[in-house]
Parts: sequence; C-alpha cells; structure tokens
Amino acid sequence: AQSVTQLDSHVSVSEGTPVLLRCNYSSSYSPSLFWYVQHPNKGLQLLLKYTSAATLVKGINGFEAEFKKSETSFHLTKPSAHMSDAAEYFCVGRGGTYKYIFGTGTRLKVLA
Amino acid sequence: NAGVTQTPKFQVLKTGQSMTLQCAQDMNHNSMYWYRQDPGMGLRLIYYSASEGTTDKGEVPNGYNVSRLNKREFSLRLESAAPSQTSVYFCASTYGGAGNQPQHFGDGTRLSIL
Repeated sequence: AQSVTQLDSHVSVSEGTPVLLRCNYSSSYSPSLFWYVQHPNKGLQLLLKYTSAATLVKGINGFEAEFKKSETSFHLTKPSAHMSDAAEYFCVGRGGTYKYIFGTGTRLKVLA
Repeated sequence: NAGVTQTPKFQVLKTGQSMTLQCAQDMNHNSMYWYRQDPGMGLRLIYYSASEGTTDKGEVPNGYNVSRLNKREFSLRLESAAPSQTSVYFCASTYGGAGNQPQHFGDGTRLSIL
C-alpha cells in the first residue's frame, strides 16, 4: 500500500534558526515526491519536486529536500526560518495512475 | 496567467440545497481533480478527470457529481447538501497521469452547510 507520513503535525522554530519538516513514504511505484506550502485561505503552492533525478532537490524560497531511498524519507529543510515561512506544509507522493497521496500536513510556526 | 480559478470562494448552504462549484484552468492540462480538505486529514480525492469526456471516482465520491465540460472546465455538484460536506474544496490540474508531474491548485471554495 502507498502511504505518505508527515511525522510532526506542528513544528515551532525561532526566526533565523533552521527548519526541518519530516516526511516518510512508502510506495510500490518509482517515487515522485513533492512538497507544497499552504498559506491561510490559499491553495497549495509547489515548493519542490523529486522525480528520480538528483537526490538533493532545491526549491523556492530557500527550501530544499533530500530523497533518501534507504530511509524512505524526503525531509524538507531551510537553513534560516523567516516569519513569512509560517504556513502549513504538505508532503505528497505518487499513488499510481492519476493518483497522489497526501500527508496530513505540518503546521510551521515561526517565533520572533 | 491565472492558473486554476475556482468560483465561488465562499458559500453557505442549508441542508438539502444544491449547488455547483466551478473550476477552470488555462494551462492546457489534461487531468483535473477535485479534493476536499478537512482539519487533520490532508486532502482527499473526490473525483478526477483524466481527459476531456472522462471522469472517475476518487476516495470520497458519495454525495457528489462532476462534469468535465471541456478541456478547461471541471465542475463539482452537490445535489442535496449535508452538514458532513462542510469543508474546503480544491480543484487541481496537471499534465498527464503518471503521477510524476506536480499539480496546480486553485485557492479553494469554503463551503458551510447549516
């Protein structure tokens, strides 16, 4: 069975400190993985995607993620959090033809 | 470039009323999707359309119908609204169906059913 698990429902960091949002996946398909950000009252916006090219993927706004097959992980990181990063983040995986599997989301809080 | 446009943005209905949520994309995408988002549950697929003229059920299709009007437009209809359908509804689109292309999302329709 395919699954995407976001290990933390809430993460709090201080402004200027690193961000780590964790995502594990399980899939019988060759993995395609995505991170999206959702700001209040907005749709999901793509941060980055992994589709079997480089395992370290750089995205927008300074975010990056590393695909680790041995750990079945695709964690999202950013070296220095900004207040504008406060939002909900979704890890999404390929679930088959025309199907995507969504994690339940991680709400990031950035403290001044 | 508007991307994916959803209307209306907000709606309040009474139990038993019907309504149609509209979605249009201008990216020439083949595939379109309707999701609902509920707290703590991520996004759940209601229906999808692989291409113009085709629709298929997703994870939670009960109580909903869809129409792929043309390549650009994909509508979601609630025939007899129930309080359990109170949710935020998102439309998305993408190229192809292999699952290796990112989806593009609209800003959602916030629907409350009293």
